[in-house]
Amino acid sequence: QVQLVQSETEVKRPGSSVKVSCKASGGTFSSQTVSWVRQAPGHGLEWVGRIIPTLDIINYAQSFQDRVSITAEKSTSTVYMELSSLRSDDTAIYYCASSPIGAPLYWGQGTLVTVSS
Amino acid sequence: IVLTQSPGTLSLSPGERATLSCRASQSVSANYLAWYQQKPGQAPRLLIYGASSRAIGIPDRFTGSGSGTDFTLSINRLEPEDFAVYYCQQYGTSIYTFGQGTKLEIK
Repeated sequence: QVQLVQSETEVKRPGSSVKVSCKASGGTFSSQTVSWVRQAPGHGLEWVGRIIPTLDIINYAQSFQDRVSITAEKSTSTVYMELSSLRSDDTAIYYCASSPIGAPLYWGQGTLVTVSS
Repeated sequence: IVLTQSPGTLSLSPGERATLSCRASQSVSANYLAWYQQKPGQAPRLLIYGASSRAIGIPDRFTGSGSGTDFTLSINRLEPEDFAVYYCQQYGTSIYTFGQGTKLEIK
């Protein structure tokens, strides 16, 4: 069973960037879709984007299109999500999730990103 | 695709049956509709994919149904651990979307 381990909590200034990592242990991202989902405090789930590393397919939600970049490092089974031009309303828990069936099945523990001056 | 879940909050007692709705603004391709359960402080857990297939380890009291634009998650004989927030998600296009969630609370 794939386990996803995410990087630690981040505190960032408005206008800066954050890069969150998601490493698969006990498996690889072979034939998997890896999604990024965020959840602001007290709010619902928001899909950020996805990558299919074996096919080099990357898609982003329209609301993040200009500020987000999702990449994969196949040799280390690690996926990254970088979000730039951070604002206070980007404060959220960011989850990575992978699946061989499209719908996110295996979830990381979440990374809290706090944007504050 | 915009997903609208109803009701926003559902108040029921253990042992009762819950019926949650998810309506899509356009037809969900291949019925690629999933349901998730989320408890406070935890990551979401996949319950149903492909509108009606239960994920591994999900009890059979959870049933997904529907097609096209109208989908339902039914939970029979509610257990205390079932009280949580439930989200639907479509993954039939290259851009996935979530519904806003239904909170299932103890009456």
